[in-house]
Amino acid sequence: KQEVTQIPAALSVPEGENLVLNCSFTDSAIYNLQWFRQDPGKGLTSLLLIQSSQREQTSGRLNASLDKSSGRSTLYIAASQPGDSATYLCATLNSNSGYALNFGKGTSLLVTP
Amino acid sequence: DAGITQSPRHKVTETGTPVTLRCHQTENHRYMYWYRQDPGHGLRLIHYSYGVKDTDKGEVSDGYSVSRSKTEDFLLTLESATSSQTSVYFCAIKKDPLDQETQYFGPGTRLLVL
Repeated sequence: KQEVTQIPAALSVPEGENLVLNCSFTDSAIYNLQWFRQDPGKGLTSLLLIQSSQREQTSGRLNASLDKSSGRSTLYIAASQPGDSATYLCATLNSNSGYALNFGKGTSLLVTP
Repeated sequence: DAGITQSPRHKVTETGTPVTLRCHQTENHRYMYWYRQDPGHGLRLIHYSYGVKDTDKGEVSDGYSVSRSKTEDFLLTLESATSSQTSVYFCAIKKDPLDQETQYFGPGTRLLVL
């Protein structure tokens, strides 16, 4: 069974800082890895999806990397803004259970002005 | 907006009563999923469907049943609600599980079982 771990569980940074969120997974036989954002009381919004054959994906100030062999992914946020405050979830897609996603518990990010 | 809605959005019920949550999609996607989200656990899969009348269990299926009589609707039923089923329930849809698109998530249903 895939286990997905996210570190740290919570993070508070001042506006403007660059930051890294970490995700690790136990089963490297993944099809892809995704990063989601969740605002309080809201649903999930997909940020980046990295296929298993890719090393990284970029969207604006966000960059996600994937090292499948070591079971790790990082989400890099450049020049953080208060609007980036949210919970960030990492999820892997494996072949189990109808190709459902396996989620980490998330990192709660607070960017202070 | 991926054309996925959930109803009701909020519900308070009493222990022992049946509850049905509805997920509706306008995308004609084949795969549909029900997850629950709890503090300290993240999102966990309850049931999923890979077509009309084709469903299977996920990690935390005990106490839940599902039905999918048409492509656009996936129903989650708590036959006899318990306090441990207090949670936020998310529905997700996907056209093809191995394509490069993400799963799209609904807005969630907050269920409180008293």
